[in-house]
Amino acid sequence: KAGVTQTPRYLIKTRGQQVTLSCSPISGHRSVSWYQQTPGQGLQFLFEYFSETQRNKGNFPGRFSGRQFSNSRSEMNVSTLELGDSALYLCASSSGQNYNEQFFGPGTRLTVL
Amino acid sequence: TQLLEQSPQFLSIQEGENLTVYCNSSSVFSSLQWYRQEPGEGPVLLVTVVTGGEVKKLKRLTFQFGDARKDSSLHITAAQPGDTGLYLCAGEGGGNKLTFGTGTQLKVEL
Repeated sequence: KAGVTQTPRYLIKTRGQQVTLSCSPISGHRSVSWYQQTPGQGLQFLFEYFSETQRNKGNFPGRFSGRQFSNSRSEMNVSTLELGDSALYLCASSSGQNYNEQFFGPGTRLTVL
Repeated sequence: TQLLEQSPQFLSIQEGENLTVYCNSSSVFSSLQWYRQEPGEGPVLLVTVVTGGEVKKLKRLTFQFGDARKDSSLHITAAQPGDTGLYLCAGEGGGNKLTFGTGTQLKVEL
């Protein structure tokens, strides 16, 4: 079974721009979660999508949004980028069973200049 | 807001030593997971503990869930350089939402 894939792996943007990150979950997984990881704040939950609906949301501003398609693939968008948005963005998929065990992709490293 | 505090934050030891990482909260979790993350990769699930007092072993790694399901520990016996990485605990408190701990960066040197 193929793992979770994320594209692109690396991205450099400037302040004020917007960015879209993509995630393909493990086949059969209907839940996709997004996390932001920084050295100072650790791993923070952004949101979770299940069957194309946002099921959970973390404490991030509205500039962070996401969506899920009918094939369970998900995208995350960040508008009006700020320097503090520089981070590793991780996507994880879950079957929705088995205690919500997360299977992570390798992440997208976003640098905002 | 549920918080999970891990200690120590950093740990540097020699190969062959034993170590314990702690994951503590004031909240009760229905289950708790441990992950290991290596540089440039996403976290990888090591184990899930569900029952208070539960102990699970994975080769040289021993995981324990506290009786009250508020805390957990990870003990590594005879650490090896391959154990180097960021160890994260994550608790599920309901609503399919995971709370991740602050992380423990482990370095095992030859």
